[in-house]
Amino acid sequence: GAVVSQHPSRVICKSGTSVKIECRSLDFQATTMFWYRQFPKQSLMLMATSNEGSKATYEQGVEKDKFLINHASLTLSTLTVTSAHPEDSSFYICSARDLRAAFFGQGTRLTVV
Amino acid sequence: AQSVTQLDSHVSVSEGTPVLLRCNYSSSYSPSLFWYVQHPNKGLQLLLKYTSAATLVKGINGFEAEFKKSETSFHLTKPSAHMSDAAEYFCVVSAIGGSQGNLIFGKGTKLSVKP
Repeated sequence: GAVVSQHPSRVICKSGTSVKIECRSLDFQATTMFWYRQFPKQSLMLMATSNEGSKATYEQGVEKDKFLINHASLTLSTLTVTSAHPEDSSFYICSARDLRAAFFGQGTRLTVV
Repeated sequence: AQSVTQLDSHVSVSEGTPVLLRCNYSSSYSPSLFWYVQHPNKGLQLLLKYTSAATLVKGINGFEAEFKKSETSFHLTKPSAHMSDAAEYFCVVSAIGGSQGNLIFGKGTKLSVKP
């Protein structure tokens, strides 16, 4: 089946620094990728839709200047958490689709200290 | 608008006994429905999907789900639970008809399997 690779799986960073998370579709081209955030003991919430070659579409309440999304190619989308704060600590998951279904990356556990 | 309700936040079964994880949905379109499993600190894995073909859908690891339009349900079942089935399960509806478009997740059901 289709594979989506997300890197890194875990990252610890200091408050005020920026962190970049990569999401790659390994065996198919994805014009659209999605970024989700999962709070402890809660479901996944869509943060933004990443569109290849154009600006991302952010969900209401998500700060686009804080969560920068770049989808420069059909196989790579990146999420950069800028000026991270402890409240940004969470599990972030990307998703890419082919015609059959959505496939998910392994997720990134971000801890801001 | 589309929505998904997972009726149980936590289900506990004994190994070898049947599993039932309940899901109800609301959709203005002909929905595409999915079940995903998430093991601790892992990403999501697709178990099975329904996209308007056969109403009884068979997935991986012995799981299956039946789409019942009259009940707006898509419950996940397995005849005999294994210890390795312990995980969190998400019922998901596609926000737009078909397999494209955004996904709306249920709140998840944590499945515990006792020896």
